[in-house]
Amino acid sequence: DAGITQSPRHKVTETGTPVTLRCHQTENHRYMYWYRQDPGHGLRLIHYSYGVKDTDKGEVSDGYSVSRSKTEDFLLTLESATSSQTSVYFCAIQSGHDTGELFFGEGSRLTVL
Amino acid sequence: AQTVTQSQPEMSVQEAETVTLSCTYDTSESDYYLFWYKQPPSRQMILVIRQEAYKQQNATENRFSVNFQKAAKSFSLKISDSQLGDAAMYFCAYRSVWGNYGGATNKLIFGTGTLLAVQP
Repeated sequence: DAGITQSPRHKVTETGTPVTLRCHQTENHRYMYWYRQDPGHGLRLIHYSYGVKDTDKGEVSDGYSVSRSKTEDFLLTLESATSSQTSVYFCAIQSGHDTGELFFGEGSRLTVL
Repeated sequence: AQTVTQSQPEMSVQEAETVTLSCTYDTSESDYYLFWYKQPPSRQMILVIRQEAYKQQNATENRFSVNFQKAAKSFSLKISDSQLGDAAMYFCAYRSVWGNYGGATNKLIFGTGTLLAVQP
């Protein structure tokens, strides 16, 4: 158990509304990531963080913003949700500097109507 | 840019039989990590096996083993004695070793996945 929790686990919202997903870790890891999973695309990186207030874009960052004001929390915000952002969102942490694998949260299913 | 390709969207295997899932990747780097992740219906992403590119020996974890062909840029997963609990989506993933030093290369690049069904 890598100590990652995501909230909410499920959310249904309407187009144009703001949405924030939260990722919380208990193990003080430096690197945190947000991925989205869609059929036929696998997992694609949205944004990542390499420290408090240090974030950068991934390959599908349009329409998303992130914030990391403290080590344990990494927030993903959809300022104005669109139907194309209906997806399953995964938070991950990099645990083990020399081994490279990521440990994932349980995912948050977002439906934008 | 690195890419990962899984050309088998779906596969099926009989319980107790052996199945091999294919993965190819493209990179100009000489050192990197490769992974197989399993995603059962619970949606949880579970690390199955890891391979460091500098190691010639194929990684093995119980019934799971890989066939790592560096020159061919191929990284297949073999599941022996398949069990009903092996039914899941399997993802192949790549990471640059330079990610150990921070920055954008830290990210995992995933294939599109192979959905494995296990028939009783």
